[in-house]
Parts: sequence; structure tokens; C-alpha cells
Amino acid sequence: AQKITQTQPGMFVQEKEAVTLDCTYDTSDQSYGLFWYKQPSSGEMIFLIYQGSYDEQNATEGRYSLNFQKARKSANLVISASQLGDSAMYFCAMREFFSGGYQKVTFGTGTKLQVIP
Amino acid sequence: DGGITQSPKYLFRKEGQNVTLSCEQNLNHDAMYWYRQDPGQGLRLIYYSQIVNDFQKGDIAEGYSVSREKKESFPLTVTSAQKNPTAFYLCASTPKIPTGAATYEQYFGPGTRLTVT
Repeated sequence: AQKITQTQPGMFVQEKEAVTLDCTYDTSDQSYGLFWYKQPSSGEMIFLIYQGSYDEQNATEGRYSLNFQKARKSANLVISASQLGDSAMYFCAMREFFSGGYQKVTFGTGTKLQVIP
Repeated sequence: DGGITQSPKYLFRKEGQNVTLSCEQNLNHDAMYWYRQDPGQGLRLIYYSQIVNDFQKGDIAEGYSVSREKKESFPLTVTSAQKNPTAFYLCASTPKIPTGAATYEQYFGPGTRLTVT
């Protein structure tokens, strides 16, 4: 079963508008973490935002916010005031913790965002 | 500066040859990971390692092998048994036990684009 699901292969957004990228996850653990990464055409992975499963407040980093709905197991990324430089692939990922401090990170298939001038 | 080094950036090999991709980190991280990314696709976990001399198979380990003889190094060998090795390979690392104020993200190297003909 897929652990991280991103149902939007591609999205378009008008410059200066807000956009929401969807992510749902599946885990039976109580302790886990959720990330969003941006990957421009250069291939580098740029960390955007993190949400821990016990964090009560939604994470925010500048124009990025994570809409965390634990009961629904969703962790949507909201980008406000889109810029042309936001055009990239966006990946949602989940970290699962195991005893002894071990961890495994699983990625979704990504959403390609294109910002239109 | 601390970071992850992957070399070379581009690698070309003939079919039937084994090839080893380098990954070195000076972040003092315990956990290291290898991911494979095909064009327009997400990241798939090949192998990961939490400590020296120990590693676990990820979701697509067949045709690949790794070693973890030193904490800083986690080389990946793409063997001739890998049926479709042409892809973009990303190495990542994380601390074993996150510190209290850390965002716990994975740090990624710049990647190696492997082409096998």
C-alpha cells in the first residue's frame, strides 16, 4: 500500500495567487514526521517545511504553510503569493521512527507546479 | 561547509558493467539513504543505513548493493543485474536522534545522473 499519496500530477497557478498541493499519508504509528520538498529542474532537493505528528500548530515558513489534518491523514502544502520561481516539482514525504532512533523516509510521486505570469 | 558530496554529476556506462556511485557526508549524520528518481517520477528508496556496517533494503533494492564501512561514506553499486539502471540517483542523510530544535529534514546531495547504453 502506498504510504504517501499525491493525487495531482500537475497544477497551474496564476502568479501572485495561492495554491494548495495535496498530500495524504498512511501510517499506524503515533510518532511520525511530514515534509515537503521542492525540486527545480536542476534536480536539487530543497527542504521547505516540516510537521511533526505531535505538533498542534500548523507549520509555517515564510510563504509556505502546511495544513495538517491528523484525523484525515492529510498534510497539504499551501503556497501563498505564487512567484515564477515556484515552478518546480513538489514532493511530500513521511518519516517513520523506529526504536533506537532509526528512521525511514518515504516520498510521494510529486506534483509539478507551473506558475503562469 | 557541511554537506553531502556525490560524484560524478554525470556518469556513462556500457550495459553489463557494474558502476559505483559515491556519497560522502561531513555532517556527522548517522543515517544515510539512496534514492532513485526516473524522469517525472518521485523518489524511490533503494537502501538505507542507520549505523556503520548495517543497512536495510528499501523498496527497490534488486540489482543494487551498498556498503557502510565508515560513517561518512555510503557508496552505491549498480550491478549488471539491474535491468533498467538509467536514472537520477540521490543520496541523503539525517541525524539518528533529532535534536530538540531541529526540523529533522533529510539533507540531500546534488545527485548523479547515470546513463547506461
